[in-house]
Amino acid sequence: SQQGEEDPQALSIQEGENATMNCSYKTSINNLQWYRQNSGRGLVHLILIRSNEREKHSGRLRVTLDTSKKSSSLLITASRAADTASYFCATDRDDKIIFGKGTRLHILP
Amino acid sequence: DSGVTQTPKHLITATGQRVTLRCSPRSGDLSVYWYQQSLDQGLQFLIQYYNGEERAKGNILERFSAQQFPDLHSELNLSSLELGDSALYFCASSVELAGAFYNEQFFGPGTRLTVL
Repeated sequence: SQQGEEDPQALSIQEGENATMNCSYKTSINNLQWYRQNSGRGLVHLILIRSNEREKHSGRLRVTLDTSKKSSSLLITASRAADTASYFCATDRDDKIIFGKGTRLHILP
Repeated sequence: DSGVTQTPKHLITATGQRVTLRCSPRSGDLSVYWYQQSLDQGLQFLIQYYNGEERAKGNILERFSAQQFPDLHSELNLSSLELGDSALYFCASSVELAGAFYNEQFFGPGTRLTVL
């Protein structure tokens, strides 16, 4: 079964707006990572947040982690056309890396 | 460019055949991971090697096997291929020192396998 589940499955927003994606997981984790994948390409690491961290920033990205709710969110501010991609959260369970099914983000011009 | 290379980029073969996918990790990375991505199953972790030794196993079928060589490149062998094995196969590497999943992974461009 999936450890990480992203929500929503798909999201379309206007360029310049903020995009928020969520990830929920089932068991305790050591850390959580977010990745981006452009269509048919390899995944690109965006940000890693450890279980003892609550918030992390990287450029236009902001990630939060709530271990009590077993959830994380990825916020992309001031979206651009180039942000159109699928976004995955990845968590660890029993030393295995589990990816969610991803959120497909489409930025409308 | 992530620094991880995978060959071949595309592979078309028939059911029942055997293929080998190759991955060269980033310079200095000791861990190699293999993933399968398909439309219905999403991105599935198959197996991880660390410095030549198997480190963690995911949803890897018995028909599949992998190894990591002394020069740290890795190969994923898929045998008795079925139509359902058609997918994108990704390799990733990281500088993992111990355990799994403490560092970011760098993904290769993938190998697209089509089984006819």
